[in-house]
Order: sequence, then structure tokens, then C-alpha cells
Amino acid sequence: EAQVTQNPRYLITVTGKKLTVTCSQNMNHEYMSWYRQDPGLGLRQIYYSMNVEVTDKGDVPEGYKVSRKEKRNFPLILESPSPNQTSLYFCASSLSSGSTEAFFGQGTRLTVV
Amino acid sequence: RKEVEQDPGPFNVPEGATVAFNCTYSNSASQSFFWYRQDCRKEPKLLMSVYSSGNEDGRFTAQLNRASQYISLLIRDSKLSDSATYLCVVNPRGPPNFGNEKLTFGTGTRLTIIP
Repeated sequence: EAQVTQNPRYLITVTGKKLTVTCSQNMNHEYMSWYRQDPGLGLRQIYYSMNVEVTDKGDVPEGYKVSRKEKRNFPLILESPSPNQTSLYFCASSLSSGSTEAFFGQGTRLTVV
Repeated sequence: RKEVEQDPGPFNVPEGATVAFNCTYSNSASQSFFWYRQDCRKEPKLLMSVYSSGNEDGRFTAQLNRASQYISLLIRDSKLSDSATYLCVVNPRGPPNFGNEKLTFGTGTRLTIIP
């Protein structure tokens, strides 16, 4: 089954404790991205990757890191989480660019206290 | 001005009614347009792409008006299962987005179908 898998689905952590949210897709997609969704603000892109070893900032990259060592995986790293990073996070992949259908993971609900 | 704007609703509509949403976009160079559906606390899923000539998929019709820079979604004979948030999505090609053909999402329009 074609899918994008994120883990964990739910996470509560404390300020400053490094965490990683994993994302994996099995569709051989080149393009992957991370979004956060907040009430009234919609989905905002954090980082994106157009292929292996090619990553760049989206609209709200501060406080986040990513890596793309393999085509299928695109982890999101919060080196020192803060309460303003409490949000719902989605990983997405698409065949080649934002002009094709984006497939989303099920989301990770992160709470930083 | 936001890149993509939608009326957040909520729209409460009786079952069987026809409902329409509009969405405006600011970048006239935008090339690709979509409607995504998002159920409560779930991931967005593609509902339909929007083509210049308009397109229809069952009870759903999407249209694009480039001159006025808006897209629309029409749902006929609405069902209880249509209750969801509908996201207008635009690929704003052109500066400053060259090299990142990212999707820009509206904040969504919440629809509830009432029995």
C-alpha cells in the first residue's frame, strides 16, 4: 500500500529536549516536505527536499532541521524544542514537485511544555 | 494580503443541499490549483485538481477564473460524509518560489452537513 508514515503520532516533551519525528514514504517520490498546522494559520511549510541530499528552508524553518540521506526518509529534528513549536506536524511527499498530488502522513501532534 | 484566502466558515448545510466555496489567490503566475479535504485531526487528502476548463467528479465541480484569480468548489446533493474542512491549494510558481514548487494552503473552509 502506498503511504507516508510518520512517527510518533503523539508526543509530549519538555522544553529543550531534542527530538526527532521520522517520516518515510514507499512511493519512490523525489519531493518531500514538512508542514505545521496551527489554528487560523493553515498549513505552513517548514522545510522541503527536492531529492537526496537536497534540502531547503520553507516559510517557517526557525528551530527545525531536516536531513535527506535516503530517498524514502525525511526526518524532522527539533534540537531544542520550545512551547511555540507545539503544533500538528505533517510530512508529505509527491512524485516530483508541488504541481503533482501530495500524499500526507497521518500527522504528529507535538506538545512542548 | 494572504497568498491564498478562504472563508473559514463554518458552513452548516442541510443534507441534499448544494454548497459552493470560493478561494482567491494573489500570485497571478500561479499554475496549479487543487482542492484538498481534511477530516477532523486527520491528514489532508486530494479531492480534485482544478483545470482551466473546469472539471467535474461526480457531485463535485471545480472551476478556475484566472482573470479574477479565484477557484471554486461546488458540491451538489450534499451527504453527511461530506462534512470536513476543504482546503484550497495553489502552486504559486514564480518569484520568490522558483526552485521550490511548493503548495500554498488556504486555512480551510469548514463544512458541516446537517441531517
